[in-house]
Amino acid sequence: GAVVSQHPSRVICKSGTSVKIECRSLDFQATTMFWYRQFPKKSLMLMATSNEGSKATYEQGVEKDKFLINHASLTLSTLTVTSAHPEDSSFYICSANPQRGYEQYFGPGTRLTVT
Amino acid sequence: DQQVKQNSPSLSVQEGRISILNCDYTNSMFDYFLWYKKYPAEGPTFLISISSIKDKNEDGRFTVFLNKSAKHLSLHIVPSQPGDSAVYFCAASMYYGGSQGNLIFGKGTKLSVKP
Repeated sequence: GAVVSQHPSRVICKSGTSVKIECRSLDFQATTMFWYRQFPKKSLMLMATSNEGSKATYEQGVEKDKFLINHASLTLSTLTVTSAHPEDSSFYICSANPQRGYEQYFGPGTRLTVT
Repeated sequence: DQQVKQNSPSLSVQEGRISILNCDYTNSMFDYFLWYKKYPAEGPTFLISISSIKDKNEDGRFTVFLNKSAKHLSLHIVPSQPGDSAVYFCAASMYYGGSQGNLIFGKGTKLSVKP
């Protein structure tokens, strides 16, 4: 089946620093990748849609200058949390949509803790 | 305004019995529905999906039923097993502009299957 990886799986950083999270589709090409954030006891919240070769589309309320998304190739998208603050601590999950496919395949997630 | 609703935050079922997870949606433009299973600190795993042109899709122990007039879908797990204990997310999407849109998730239902 389709496999999506995320790296790192867990990261702890100090307030004010930046953190980059990678999302890779390992055995398929994904023209579209999505970035989600999960809040405790809440659903997955879509942050942005990442399209290969173009700018990401951000959901309302998501700061694009704080959450930088780059979709450099058909198999890689990155999310950079800039100037991280403790309230950015969360579980970030990416998903990838295979070309001509309906399903989205999710990565295992990245636990970010900002101290 | 929540477009996809899972009104039961939790469900407890005895091993061997049927688990029925429900999901309601408000947007009649949704044309594809999916169920995901999620363990703590992991990304969601795709379980089963159904297109709006069907009213039932079966895959092993999992069956999804779609009632378009009621804007309701359900996931049946028979027989339930302790390993099925997880949070189940219902998701919906629509096809527009020549591509599949992002997933809209419900808040999830935590299923506990007791031995």
